[in-house]
This record gives sequence, structure tokens and C-alpha cells, in this order.
Amino acid sequence: KAGVTQTPRYLIKTRGQQVTLSCSPISGHRSVSWYQQTPGQGLQFLFEYFSETQRNKGNFPGRFSGRQFSNSRSEMNVSTLELGDSALYLCASSFFSGEKLFFGSGTQLSVL
Amino acid sequence: TQLLEQSPQFLSIQEGENLTVYCNSSSVFSSLQWYRQEPGEGPVLLVTVVTGGEVKKLKRLTFQFGDARKDSSLHITAAQPGDTGLYLCAGAVAAGNKLTFGGGTRVLVKP
Repeated sequence: KAGVTQTPRYLIKTRGQQVTLSCSPISGHRSVSWYQQTPGQGLQFLFEYFSETQRNKGNFPGRFSGRQFSNSRSEMNVSTLELGDSALYLCASSFFSGEKLFFGSGTQLSVL
Repeated sequence: TQLLEQSPQFLSIQEGENLTVYCNSSSVFSSLQWYRQEPGEGPVLLVTVVTGGEVKKLKRLTFQFGDARKDSSLHITAAQPGDTGLYLCAGAVAAGNKLTFGGGTRVLVKP
């Protein structure tokens, strides 16, 4: 069965722009979580969606938002990009919250 | 401050040596997971431990969950270059809660 698919793989943006990242979970998985990974901060939890509802949220500013569609696909959006938003954004899916996560390969975002 | 503290942050060893990575917290976890991440890829689950004192073996990797379910260790015997990667522990304080990750231990096994 297909794994978690994230698009795009790489993205270069400039400060002030906005960006939308996409994640298709493993078929049958209803929970999708997003993480930001940087060398200095490690893997930081952004938010989790389950059946189109945000279940958990990390400590990120309101510029970071997400949503989940009825087919469990999820998108995250970052508005008014800052240099510090440069990171690898990882999406992970699971059947239920807190269960083992299956990660995509991530989207590497560079903000110039 | 990380809820889960991993040590050491970096480990460089020669092929054939043993190594141990630690994951500690002041919180009790209902379950704890270990992942390995290679450059350019997302983390891949290695094991989940749920019972205090539990020991799980995966070939040359041995995982242990502390009796109080606050800490865990990963021991690799006779490390190989293919074991190189970032090892991450992650815990959920209750079933259904989000997973929190440790800061990771970067392991380099030199041939």
C-alpha cells in the first residue's frame, strides 16, 4: 500500500509570501499530524487533524494553519513567511492519535 | 525545555562497537516509540514499548522501557555503517494524545 505522500518536495519562497503544503495519508488512516524539523529545535509538533477536526495544536503562531478534507488529505498553510520558517515540514499519518506514525519524506522549505 | 531529553546528542563510533542512546523524562508515558531518520527522509518507526520494564529486540537493537515508564534506552550491538542516522524517541502521555519527540541522537558508524 502506498505510503504518505507530501508535495512539493522542495520549495523556495521569499519573506512575506505564503505557502501551502500538501499531505496524502496512507489509505485508511484518519489522523494526520504535522511537524516542523530544524537542526536547532528538532521535531516540533504543529497540529493534528482527525476526521477533519483539529484535535491537538502545538505552540506555533497563528500564521501556521491547517485543514483536513473528507478524504483525509491534509494541507498546511504558512502566511507571511519569515526567515525562521525555513525547515523540513513533515506530515505523518496513523489510524488514531498517539499511535505509531508513518511519515512522509517531507517538504524542505527555504525562505530567502 | 524538551519533555523528552535524549543523550548523547551525537555519537561517533567505529564499526563493530556497541552504543547506547538514552531517552529520559520526568513524565510518565503510556507508550514510547523509537524512530530512525536518514538524511532527506522522514522518520521510520523501529519499535513501540508500552509496559514498564519491557524489553524488545530487533536484530542487533535492544529497546528497554523503564519500570516507571519515564525513560527508555536503545542499545545497538556490533554497530554497522547502515545504523548511521538520527534516532528519535517519542512518547504519548495518554492513549489518544499527540506524540512528543525528543531532540534526537545523531549516530555515525564509521567503517
